[in-house]
Amino acid sequence: NAGVTQTPKFQVLKTGQSMTLQCAQDMNHEYMSWYRQDPGMGLRLIHYSVGAGITDQGEVPNGYNVSRSTTEDFPLRLLSAAPSQTSVYFCASQDSYTGELFFGEGSRLTVL
Amino acid sequence: GIQVEQSPPDLILQEGANSTLRCNFSDSVNNLQWFHQNPWGQLINLFYIPSGTKQNGRLSATTVATERYSLLYISSSQTTDSGVYFCAVDGFNDYKLSFGAGTTVTVRA
Repeated sequence: NAGVTQTPKFQVLKTGQSMTLQCAQDMNHEYMSWYRQDPGMGLRLIHYSVGAGITDQGEVPNGYNVSRSTTEDFPLRLLSAAPSQTSVYFCASQDSYTGELFFGEGSRLTVL
Repeated sequence: GIQVEQSPPDLILQEGANSTLRCNFSDSVNNLQWFHQNPWGQLINLFYIPSGTKQNGRLSATTVATERYSLLYISSSQTTDSGVYFCAVDGFNDYKLSFGAGTTVTVRA
C-alpha cells in the first residue's frame, strides 16, 4: 500500500533557487495538506486543499505556493528559497469519514 | 486557531513503566488525534479521539471534550515507544489541524 508518497526525501538548495516538493496519495482522499516541522515547534500548517481545484492558506503560507489539479496530487512550490525555509516538510491526506490523517515520510530541505 | 498545550515536554521512563501524557486545548474541537513520531521521523496516527476512550494494545486515550483535555496512556513501556508524541486538533468547519509542541518520550532498557 503506497498511502502518501513524497519526493524528494532530501534536497539542498541555494538561496533564491526554486523547487517543487511532490506529494501523491492513492486513497482517494479529498483533503490534503502540507506541514513544516521545525525543532521545538511541532508541525505548522502551510497550505491545505479540500478537493481538486480548491486550496487555502494555513498558518505559515508565505513563500510557498500550491495547486490541486487532481485528487491524487498536491505539489508544494518554493519560488525563491530562503534559509528560513530550511525544515522538514510533511504532506498529509485525511479520510473524510474517519477523520484520520495519514502522513508521508517527510522531505528534509536545506537552504544555504 | 485553537491553542494546544502538551505536557510534560520530556519524559524519561524505565522499560516496563506506565505513563500519562496530557493535551489541553483552548476551544471546542471537531477532531483530535494523537500521533507518534519515531526516531526515524515517521509520523504514525495512534488515535482519532474527539471524545470518549479508545484502546489499542498497550496504548489508550481518553478525551474529555467538555473540559478540553485529552490523555494518552502508555502501559508497560518498551524501548520502541520512544519518540515524540503529538496531539493535534481542529475546530468545527475548520480544516486547519493545529499541533502541540509534543512530548519527547525516552524509554530506557
